[in-house]
Amino acid sequence: ETGVTQTPRHLVMGMTNKKSLKCEQHLGHNAMYWYKQSAKKPLELMFVYNFKEQTENNSVPSRFSPECPNSSHLFLHLHTLQPEDSALYLCASSQGVPGASGSLGADTQYFGPGTRLTVL
Amino acid sequence: KQEVTQIPAALSVPEGENLVLNCSFTDSAIYNLQWFRQDPGKGLTSLLLIQSSQREQTSGRLNASLDKSSGRSTLYIAASQPGDSATYLCAVRARGGGSQGNLIFGKGTKLSVKP
Repeated sequence: ETGVTQTPRHLVMGMTNKKSLKCEQHLGHNAMYWYKQSAKKPLELMFVYNFKEQTENNSVPSRFSPECPNSSHLFLHLHTLQPEDSALYLCASSQGVPGASGSLGADTQYFGPGTRLTVL
Repeated sequence: KQEVTQIPAALSVPEGENLVLNCSFTDSAIYNLQWFRQDPGKGLTSLLLIQSSQREQTSGRLNASLDKSSGRSTLYIAASQPGDSATYLCAVRARGGGSQGNLIFGKGTKLSVKP
């Protein structure tokens, strides 16, 4: 059992729906990440938050809207999605991010179990 | 741009066999390389992390090697067991801060160990 939980574990939504994915980490970490894992494609980084501030948006379409109210919680708000957005969405956390003082490249990321999203 | 390739994409072996999974990367300027395991419907579990200054790391029946100059890493699994069945992912972290330090993943090798 990891210290990173994600809900829901499975989600089916229509293209006009609005839904949110939730991630919570119980590890006292300061950085949190959203990744997308599509079939037959490598894991893709979407967003990075460090101390609640977004430090990276990897050219993600605006129909994906992240929110980080505190260092323990991360949300991904979804609206007007496309069928090609169907994927496994993984959340991860780490003590710090690369480049932060004292943590350059040194922090292991801990992953949650993911949310399997299907867009109809 | 860093690219990570894993060969083969899938592998099926009988129980007890020793096996090697391969990972290659295009830019040798990495900070470290990490091997993960992913079980169906679950997240990633870190198996081994090799710093750029290291040649190999071992954990139980797993041994990971790194040849940075040639852009290659191998994950050796000894005496494979059905419980080893999973997808194995390789990821590299480049030197530098910000987005340069993000993990770049391969597509993974799906391993099936048959009793």
